[in-house]
Amino acid sequence: SAVISQKPSRDICQRGTSLTIQCQVDSQVTMMFWYRQQPGQSLTLIATANQGSEATYESGFVIDKFPISRPNLTFSTLTVSNMSPEDSSIYLCSGLQGEGETQYFGPGTRLLVL
Amino acid sequence: AQSVTQLGSHVSVSEGALVLLRCNYSSSVPPYLFWYVQYPNQGLQLLLKYTSAATLVKGINGFEAEFKKSETSFHLTKPSAHMSDAAEYFCAVSDSGGGADGLTFGKGTHLIIQP
Repeated sequence: SAVISQKPSRDICQRGTSLTIQCQVDSQVTMMFWYRQQPGQSLTLIATANQGSEATYESGFVIDKFPISRPNLTFSTLTVSNMSPEDSSIYLCSGLQGEGETQYFGPGTRLLVL
Repeated sequence: AQSVTQLGSHVSVSEGALVLLRCNYSSSVPPYLFWYVQYPNQGLQLLLKYTSAATLVKGINGFEAEFKKSETSFHLTKPSAHMSDAAEYFCAVSDSGGGADGLTFGKGTHLIIQP
């Protein structure tokens, strides 16, 4: 199974700034995704990270706010731009791999915006 | 569009008792269903998944789930709860094979184990 790591694991940021979160997979995955988990809530899909092309965003999420890159099959970044306290969440990346195409998750990045 | 409903945001059972976490889904196509567990301050770990091969699915840590199409349910069970089972459990659905379109998650159920 794929092992997914994220950097940073947590951060405290000032409003108006931006943070880039990195997601690294130890082996090739067919697809990568980014999710948000707001405090006490479930996970919501932000976007599908497409290799070499623009990400596919879900309703309510836009590229200007959450630019995503995926330069190769094992790496992706999510930037949270112009942050506000409402962006305080856990951001998780996942990768699709293997028999039956199982989705594996990273440990998440805990973001607090002051 | 697919959706998932988890009944009970919190479930409390005694150690050694049966664990039953409920999940009902709505999907316009034959669904692929998943249960994930999230321990405190950790990411999500896949417990088990249903991909139409068998209606009773066995997962890790002694958990299993049964797919019932007539009831649109995919409840998670474990015969005997252990203290280490205390965690948040999420049911999720995908319309495609393994989530090629991403997963739609339920709101989660917090499992509390009483000693």
